[in-house]
Amino acid sequence: GDSVTQMEGPVTLSEEAFLTINCTYTATGYPSLFWYVQYPGEGLQLLLKATKADDKGSNKGFEATYRKETTSFHLEKGSVQVSDSAVYFCALRDSSASKIIFGSGTRLSIRP
Amino acid sequence: NAGVMQNPRHLVRRRGQEARLRCSPMKGHSHVYWYRQLPEEGLKFMVYLQKENIIDESGMPKERFSAEFPKEGPSILRIQQVVRGDSAAYFCASSPREANTEAFFGQGTRLTVV
Repeated sequence: GDSVTQMEGPVTLSEEAFLTINCTYTATGYPSLFWYVQYPGEGLQLLLKATKADDKGSNKGFEATYRKETTSFHLEKGSVQVSDSAVYFCALRDSSASKIIFGSGTRLSIRP
Repeated sequence: NAGVMQNPRHLVRRRGQEARLRCSPMKGHSHVYWYRQLPEEGLKFMVYLQKENIIDESGMPKERFSAEFPKEGPSILRIQQVVRGDSAAYFCASSPREANTEAFFGQGTRLTVV
């Protein structure tokens, strides 16, 4: 079945550092890919998405490119801030409009 | 334009009682998902519903758990005879019918079984 594998956490960085959180997927069809962010005590918020190969999703300085050849959707940000501290989830939804499948989440902590 | 509304936000139940969690999807959304999140863990899929239909319940425990999404009113996740292991955050999400669209999440219901 479809699945998402993402980088184990926690990830701790200093402010202004470069961030990469790896995400790879397995899917039989042509899924849409998402990154969600969860701040403490809250629900998940959509951070960005890409619906087809080579699409780049971007929001709030974060970017991720849908790479079909490597089945990857890595999240990047050039300069992180303390306010980016949260848990980040990679997810996919396949083309049959079925359930959304999440990775296990990566906790990110940014030091001032 | 309200988002996904879940209530209650916090629910405390004694072992053996029933827990009812409610979810009102965003306006125009016909699909609802329920997920469970244990502390410091990821999201575990439970069930996927359309109005009056269960599409995928592969993540639902076979006993004590049930879900519905009636023609009128919110989606309900019902847990009968709760046990301590049911303590978790339960999140509801909704999406439009179209494929490849994202889901929008509610704030969750934090269930504590004492």
